[in-house]
Amino acid sequence: QSALTQPRSVSGSPGQSVTISCTGTARDVGGYNFVSWYQQHPGKGPKLIIFDVSSRPSGVPDRFSGSKSGNTASLTISGLQPEDEADYFCCSYAGSSTYSVFGGGTKVTVL
Amino acid sequence: EVQLVQSGAEVKKPGESLKISCKASGYSFGNYWIAWVRQTPGKGLEWMGVIYPGDSETRYSPSFQGQVTISVDKSINTAYLQWSTLQASDSAMYFCARRSRGVLIGGGFDYWGHGTRVTVSS
Repeated sequence: QSALTQPRSVSGSPGQSVTISCTGTARDVGGYNFVSWYQQHPGKGPKLIIFDVSSRPSGVPDRFSGSKSGNTASLTISGLQPEDEADYFCCSYAGSSTYSVFGGGTKVTVL
Repeated sequence: EVQLVQSGAEVKKPGESLKISCKASGYSFGNYWIAWVRQTPGKGLEWMGVIYPGDSETRYSPSFQGQVTISVDKSINTAYLQWSTLQASDSAMYFCARRSRGVLIGGGFDYWGHGTRVTVSS
């Protein structure tokens, strides 16, 4: 059981938008603006797509966006593309003992 | 180009020791924290600990403290994850990942290795 809760799967057709939630507590997601999101294709290492709640690294398409409200962070993929089919993980800073906690991952399927 | 190249898959027996590696290139190795992350089908991704190669300062997750050892060899830009006594429950994929901007908090893990599969079975 992961520290942060994500839906197991979401799906959408090409061009649609999907949103993935990541629910934690006031000790992690709610307590800091240090939520990051990662995309992982099968057999590959994760790739950073959002950091510090809503910032995008250079090279990440702007159809990926992040936000946070209270203890829940969200990743939205707008204009879904076939290559967006992957697993997505959230991660949050959780204080100076645990440092980083992850969500269980969400499989995004492009129909 | 920043790269983290991990050592190959390992098959070990319970009770054996193991050290896996993560060789960095394309940036100033000593200036960025390197973390180890475990991935299993049951628990997903788990942060194990992190090391700052510049001075070998290390932080461990309470879940992994005392179970593994994280170290570096700055002379060859390589970080290590080590077990003295493997258990079947250590079977997993292990990733090394660089913390961005040279900071321990914030910024995320901006580069990841390809992973090292560890299988522990009698």
